[in-house]
Amino acid sequence: NAGVTQTPKFRILKIGQSMTLQCTQDMNHNYMYWYRQDPGMGLKLIYYSVGAGITDKGEVPNGYNVSRSTTEDFPLRLELAAPSQTSVYFCASSATAQANEKLFFGSGTQLSVL
Amino acid sequence: GDSVTQMEGPVTLSEEAFLTINCTYTATGYPSLFWYVQYPGEGLQLLLKATKADDKGSNKGFEATYRKETTSFHLEKGSVQVSDSAVYFCALRSGYNKLIFGAGTRLAVHP
Repeated sequence: NAGVTQTPKFRILKIGQSMTLQCTQDMNHNYMYWYRQDPGMGLKLIYYSVGAGITDKGEVPNGYNVSRSTTEDFPLRLELAAPSQTSVYFCASSATAQANEKLFFGSGTQLSVL
Repeated sequence: GDSVTQMEGPVTLSEEAFLTINCTYTATGYPSLFWYVQYPGEGLQLLLKATKADDKGSNKGFEATYRKETTSFHLEKGSVQVSDSAVYFCALRSGYNKLIFGAGTRLAVHP
């Protein structure tokens, strides 16, 4: 019952460093998403993917890149970390694109950029 | 654009108290509405949902009714337990790339 797995759980970066947040799901879902949650705010969509090889921008994509080479994996890349990217990051997946379909979430990555 | 507004927390209650967490939304069309819950150290998980007007979603003693006339989806529970302590998120979804969340409401239940 792994579901959606994110690594790492916590990370501290220095300004200008780069890193990749890993996300993998074992439910064979086509749809995958990256969200960020800033303190006191709702989750905002960074990028999403509708299947292997297909990605698109969400609401707040600047400073991030994604790839989707397999159905299972959807890594999020930060190339030049900035303090504004300090946030909690959630990966999610869903089986369909229907509006009433629920999302399955990972447990999150807490990232601090100092 | 679409948006979700939910009451600010934290909400602090004694065990067995009645819970209401208010949620209102703005959307074009007829979105599906959700409550997600995040327990400490875990990811968000679906608590309940409603897909059309007057639908009532329910799970684990929690209920919420899709009120189109007041654009609301308030979460209620008659008797909360310490184990209900968590952050609750109201959300709407009108497309696969359009899941809009509220800011979350932290609930703390004391024995």
